[in-house]
Amino acid sequence: NAGVTQTPKFQVLKTGQSMTLQCAQDMNHEYMSWYRQDPGMGLRLIHYSVGAGITDQGEVPNGYNVSRSTTEDFPLRLLSAAPSQTSVYFCASSLTRGGTTYGYTFGSGTRLTVV
Amino acid sequence: SQQGEEDPQALSIQEGENATMNCSYKTSINNLQWYRQNSGRGLVHLILIRSNEREKHSGRLRVTLDTSKKSSSLLITASRAADTASYFCAFSQGAQKLVFGQGTRLTINP
Repeated sequence: NAGVTQTPKFQVLKTGQSMTLQCAQDMNHEYMSWYRQDPGMGLRLIHYSVGAGITDQGEVPNGYNVSRSTTEDFPLRLLSAAPSQTSVYFCASSLTRGGTTYGYTFGSGTRLTVV
Repeated sequence: SQQGEEDPQALSIQEGENATMNCSYKTSINNLQWYRQNSGRGLVHLILIRSNEREKHSGRLRVTLDTSKKSSSLLITASRAADTASYFCAFSQGAQKLVFGQGTRLTINP
């Protein structure tokens, strides 16, 4: 059972480049989300999805796109990278059952540097 | 900001002592969760307490929730060097979205 898998682990981009951060989970979790973690800022929610075909914005969605075509995958796309997007990105998933909330399972993170 | 606030921001204690971290929030919540993050790693879920619960235990962890004061505390008893990490509270306001606090950096000195 792999849990939540994020790729790549490290990435350096030039300003203006685009890329996709991959996230996959094998736990059949309906809920998936993307956070960014910056020093002194804690974790901030970028986008989330409550199931395949359903996505919504979080606290800091600008500059990022998501899609959820399958239950397993939830990629995060950076449209035109900016230095302000230098951060550590975490994907997380959670089981939802009958309205009951369960704890998140996090991936190991992608450390992104935009130069 | 909707973020939770954690206190203290950093805590350094001797091995074997107890560590207490506090979390406050501003809105009504469905549940509150605590997570641990070792340096450079992802977050690991520790414990979840629902809004109708006041106290919960898991091994050496004890979590309390006071919804009237909009606050929670995490107590780690008999600390060990392996407990050195950052600890985050996170609360759910609805559905599944979690809002995280800024974390407490805990250092256990041998």
